[in-house]
Amino acid sequence: AQSVTQLDSQVPVFEEAPVELRCNYSSSVSVYLFWYVQYPNQGLQLLLKYLSGSTLVKGINSFEAEFNKSQTSFHLRKPSVHISDTAEYFCAVSEAQGGSEKLVFGKGTKLTVNP
Amino acid sequence: EADIYQTPRYLVIGTGKKITLECSQTMGHDKMYWYQQDPGMELHLIHYSYGVNSTEKGDLSSESTVSRIRTEHFPLTLESARPSHTSQYLCASSELTRGDTQYFGPGTRLTVL
Repeated sequence: AQSVTQLDSQVPVFEEAPVELRCNYSSSVSVYLFWYVQYPNQGLQLLLKYLSGSTLVKGINSFEAEFNKSQTSFHLRKPSVHISDTAEYFCAVSEAQGGSEKLVFGKGTKLTVNP
Repeated sequence: EADIYQTPRYLVIGTGKKITLECSQTMGHDKMYWYQQDPGMELHLIHYSYGVNSTEKGDLSSESTVSRIRTEHFPLTLESARPSHTSQYLCASSELTRGDTQYFGPGTRLTVL
């Protein structure tokens, strides 16, 4: 079975600073990886996903993530954050093959961007 | 833009009441899901469906039930609500292909007194 660990529950940063939100996963088979964002009082919205190919994945709002198979990581980065990026970010994994297609989520990282 | 709707957005009810949380999508997606979300915790899958007349239990044991009579509609019912059911419930939908994006509704925040 897969699992996801988001290493930081809260990340405070100042506006225009770079940010990295860390995600590690475990799985016995190849995986698909996702980052979702949840703004206050809203549902989750896909930021980006890795299915295959280039390990550097670009998403919406200038976010990007790099799939590192040897370190089983999929960290999310943004070079310069805005106040509007304040939200909760969820990393998720699903198996690329085998019986289970379910999406397994981490516990989330609350990003707070301060002026 | 994804169109998936949940009603009500907020619900406060007393113990023992029967409730139905509504979820509808206009994207023609075959797969639909219900997740339970509590603060600081992972989203837990409680029910999913591959299409009309298909319903499956997820990983988290739940006393709720679901039905899928129409492709676009996936309601969740609690026959007798209890305070332990207090949570946020998120509905989602996707295409059938493995790895496809799940599109989420805005959620229903349920409080059982």
